[in-house]
Amino acid sequence: EVPLVESGGGLVQPGGSLKLSCAASGFAFSGSTMHWVRQASGKGLEWVGRIRNKANNYATAYAVSVKGRFAISRDDSKDTAYLQMNSLKTDDTAVYYCSRTSPGSAWFDPWGQGALVTVSS
Amino acid sequence: QSALTQPASVSGSPGQSITISCTGTSSDVGGYNYVSWYQQHPGKAPKLMIYDVTNRPSGVSDRFSGSKSGNTASLTISGLQAEDEAHYSCSSYTSTGTYVFGTGTQVTVL
Repeated sequence: EVPLVESGGGLVQPGGSLKLSCAASGFAFSGSTMHWVRQASGKGLEWVGRIRNKANNYATAYAVSVKGRFAISRDDSKDTAYLQMNSLKTDDTAVYYCSRTSPGSAWFDPWGQGALVTVSS
Repeated sequence: QSALTQPASVSGSPGQSITISCTGTSSDVGGYNYVSWYQQHPGKAPKLMIYDVTNRPSGVSDRFSGSKSGNTASLTISGLQAEDEAHYSCSSYTSTGTYVFGTGTQVTVL
């Protein structure tokens, strides 16, 4: 059983939108903080943003590079997190991973296998 | 938030020890004991190797160890093995409640 599975990646034109999903299994999804992390080809990891759990009012936070364009949401009834990406730029081309931190922890584990997003005309 | 600074590459011979540094600021690495390290083989997802500066998850070899001094954290791999050849990234919690990753280090086993 794979704990996290991303889907929804693909090719999109600059200025377009795309929504990624992250389906979780095998752990307490509703209590977890869910994160999105991306990695451009040949580059390092970049934290994109996170959504906290219900007890923390589903609070979200984002990297400066995506703030105002990306939105993270979750559906605890489906054990799924989402990343809505709008006004996409070529610089957003990357593999997007979802991961989680447990309450009180600051490390990312597990990770999904990643979803490739290509922004190109 | 600027990325944490790591050397682009580190290499060593089998059996040797290598150390990867991760330099930040007092607002991230220096301000919290929330540094973690990730190993990534080509085309694979990152794998947690060290958390909270010095702790190893179950299943991770004790050849991997972590430490911190001031604004710089370090990952040491002792008894280097061919399977350790991979990309390594550090991460830290920050004072703004967000996270920052390092620039990444490619480890080569000669």
